[in-house]
Amino acid sequence: EVQLVDSGGGLVQPGGSLRLSCAASGFTFSGSWMGWVRQTPGTGLEWVANISPDGNTKYYVDSVRGRFSISRDNAKNSLSLQMDTLRAEDTAVYHCARGGALLDYWGQGTLVAVSS
Amino acid sequence: DVVVTQSPLSLPVALGQSASISCRSSRSLVYSDGNTYLSWFQQRPGQSPRRLVYKVSNRDSGVADRLSGSGSGTDFTLKISSVEAEDVGVYYCMQGTHWPHTFGQGTKLEI
Repeated sequence: EVQLVDSGGGLVQPGGSLRLSCAASGFTFSGSWMGWVRQTPGTGLEWVANISPDGNTKYYVDSVRGRFSISRDNAKNSLSLQMDTLRAEDTAVYHCARGGALLDYWGQGTLVAVSS
Repeated sequence: DVVVTQSPLSLPVALGQSASISCRSSRSLVYSDGNTYLSWFQQRPGQSPRRLVYKVSNRDSGVADRLSGSGSGTDFTLKISSVEAEDVGVYYCMQGTHWPHTFGQGTKLEI
């Protein structure tokens, strides 16, 4: 059974940093594109970043490029999202997700709240 | 970015009746490999989204055959032939052809 367990969310002040993690199991992690999708009541669902199976190719949505960094550790079946210079508009539930164009499984999500 | 527009945003349906959700993209979703990366997801209250259909018309394992996806190019539809109570939730289409992949606004189906 595919499982994606997100963690690392919390309350952070504007300009601060946070690192999200995702523990994957039940599938061949090293052979899968992975990504992060965020969800807010106002703006709906938004792809944040995507990473290739070998970690060499990364894509970011314009609004986070230069501030967020996606990475993976295939030996540990884990995915990370380093978020720096956080803004109020980054407030959302962040979901780890398997796949890119063929996104299928989602983590339960971890809440990131950016506020002073 | 490719804009994906769903309609309607709210869909009240009686049990046993059919329902249809439209998804339109601002650009063709045919990729250079010939595939069209358009997926449909259902999100029930308090849960993460679940994929129902991928590449326009391929149902995921365990998805009822009452649900069907169709369309091509920029115009796509999800149909539910006989709505049941378990179909309640918000439905999203997502294009995976162009980066950034983008979602529609969501359609809330209620009984």
